[in-house]
Amino acid sequence: VQMVEAGGGLVQPGGSLRLSCAASGFTFNNYEMNWVRRAPGKGLEWVSYISTIGSTIYYADSVKGRFTISRDNAKNSLYLQMNSLRAEDTAVYYCAKEKSETHAFDIWGQGTVVTVSP
Amino acid sequence: SYVLTQPPSVSVAPGQTARITCGGNNIGSKSVHWYQQKPGQAPVLFVYDDSDRPSGIPERFSGSNSGNTATLTISRVEAGDEADYYCQVWDSTSDHYVVFGGGTKLTVL
Repeated sequence: VQMVEAGGGLVQPGGSLRLSCAASGFTFNNYEMNWVRRAPGKGLEWVSYISTIGSTIYYADSVKGRFTISRDNAKNSLYLQMNSLRAEDTAVYYCAKEKSETHAFDIWGQGTVVTVSP
Repeated sequence: SYVLTQPPSVSVAPGQTARITCGGNNIGSKSVHWYQQKPGQAPVLFVYDDSDRPSGIPERFSGSNSGNTATLTISRVEAGDEADYYCQVWDSTSDHYVVFGGGTKLTVL
């Protein structure tokens, strides 16, 4: 069971990035998924949630209107489209799988680093 | 929005018991989950639904939740337990849904 993120990097303020998370070892379409980030020197911050078929989506206020979460169950993949990036979006971004019948995150990816800087 | 309050740091000698608190308004009515994160690593779920442990997590780690405080208790603390610990809840009553505490740095003296 694992998840592997990709797509991080250095981007200028106002720019865009698309993160991906490839899942394996479990039936991806059975589980709700989330993105969580940790900025340098800060704690964990929840970013976004998506239900099993993508019909329900939530965002943190800090990213609402700029980030879009999506999933492709046929490809066992989760995505985060990040637009209008700001310096405060600089963080390690993790995808996280929810444990069944809870909203606890039992499987995490290794993280991908996003740096927003001129 | 719902707020979870953790002490920034807790220090304990090896072999002693560490207690990390997570305060929130009527948190006893919610399910609390706890994560351990070591530098350069992804978080790991250590306790879910207040007091259940995923497979592979030592029995030294236990959780409780009542009133306005949830607690992660680490018995017989070891040097390898030094890490950041976070509590988390799902708050369906607000539009913030997933809430993390600010995190507690556990230092093993």
